[in-house]
Amino acid sequence: GQQLNQSPQSMFIQEGEDVSMNCTSSSIFNTWLWYKQDPGEGPVLLIALYKAGELTSNGRLTAQFGITRKDSFLNISASIPSDVGIYFCAGRTSGTYKYIFGTGTRLKVLA
Amino acid sequence: EAQVTQNPRYLITVTGKKLTVTCSQNMNHEYMSWYRQDPGLGLRQIYYSMNVEVTDKGDVPEGYKVSRKEKRNFPLILESPSPNQTSLYFCASSLSFGRGETQYFGPGTRLLVL
Repeated sequence: GQQLNQSPQSMFIQEGEDVSMNCTSSSIFNTWLWYKQDPGEGPVLLIALYKAGELTSNGRLTAQFGITRKDSFLNISASIPSDVGIYFCAGRTSGTYKYIFGTGTRLKVLA
Repeated sequence: EAQVTQNPRYLITVTGKKLTVTCSQNMNHEYMSWYRQDPGLGLRQIYYSMNVEVTDKGDVPEGYKVSRKEKRNFPLILESPSPNQTSLYFCASSLSFGRGETQYFGPGTRLLVL
């Protein structure tokens, strides 16, 4: 089945650093979503994007819908220990009810 | 409290023994979905349902069945489980699509098939 390429696979960063991750697809999506999964929990939606070029923030998180509609980016500013977890991107094509998820970026923050 | 519940949370079974994982949501959501999560593969959609009696295959439906007889429930059925179905399973639901679409995920069911 189709999957999204998400990078990096994992990151170790110092508390206070900024983080960037991205997601690319061979297909065009009309919706991009970013989720965070804490250990032992289900994913929780962070940001949803619906328009090419759209830039949306949620606190220290900022995500962008790539203008080609084949990629999306997530930035976390001034990371803190509770940012630890797995971040997933997901895409959906207009008119469909299927979601395609990325393979995840595992983030670890060193205090 | 608005939530998606799954049962059981942990299950160990043997090859070929039919099992059902239940999923229930109390938010009157129309859309429900099942995913499996495997290391290095992320989340993969198994089946989804747009409403009662309306279901469709996701990316990895082989070996699974679902039903949607009531709006709130969406059970996942493994008729003859095999070891390659050992995984972490998540149920999710959302009200609709478009602006405001938010999938709420359950806590997960960890399945081991021996």
